[in-house]
Amino acid sequence: DTGVSQNPRHKITKRGQNVTFRCDPISEHNRLYWYRQTLGQGPEFLTYFQNEAQLEKSRLLSDRFSAERPKGSFSTLEIQRTEQGDSAMYLCASSSRGPRSTIYFGEGSWLTVV
Amino acid sequence: TQLLEQSPQFLSIQEGENLTVYCNSSSVFSSLQWYRQEPGEGPVLLVTVVTGGEVKKLKRLTFQFGDARKDSSLHITAAQPGDTGLYLCAGAYASGGSNYKLTFGKGTLLTVNP
Repeated sequence: DTGVSQNPRHKITKRGQNVTFRCDPISEHNRLYWYRQTLGQGPEFLTYFQNEAQLEKSRLLSDRFSAERPKGSFSTLEIQRTEQGDSAMYLCASSSRGPRSTIYFGEGSWLTVV
Repeated sequence: TQLLEQSPQFLSIQEGENLTVYCNSSSVFSSLQWYRQEPGEGPVLLVTVVTGGEVKKLKRLTFQFGDARKDSSLHITAAQPGDTGLYLCAGAYASGGSNYKLTFGKGTLLTVNP
């Protein structure tokens, strides 16, 4: 399977705990994105990497959220001191370089904060 | 704020009927993508359109990009229960230097009843 891979697929955590999600993009893609999707809504952009550089962060990404892509390959999204409002599906996507490159999504990581 | 409006939000039809989903914005897209999403899964790409007036067909699905690249439609002919799902349009805007990321509509939840 050469698609975008995310894990864990599901995570249930208690409020206040930290969680980390991992994303492995399509191997030749140098662009990586994180989105968040809540029930009844389309995905919302969180952040974007080109290689290892984080080039944009949405205002949705509070200071409790941090994303890294240390070697320009896989990426991690960490949420510290989780809140119930963080419950959502976190989607990773990747694309090749170019203004009209198609963006491919992973299967998502469901987070439930109880 | 760049908004992408998708309609209808919900659609329930009988097997064999035709339907059209619309996606509209006041801004110009550099490209637009249509995705289909199943519950608990990530969006799966159906098509990418980049040229104004472009029409693409995928079996019983026909996608059209408006001449001005501000709107798009998805038409399904003779819908089948297997077409049930959330249909999302997502556009990369041509201006503002953000043509690398997608803005999503809220989606159209289609139910095809046997």
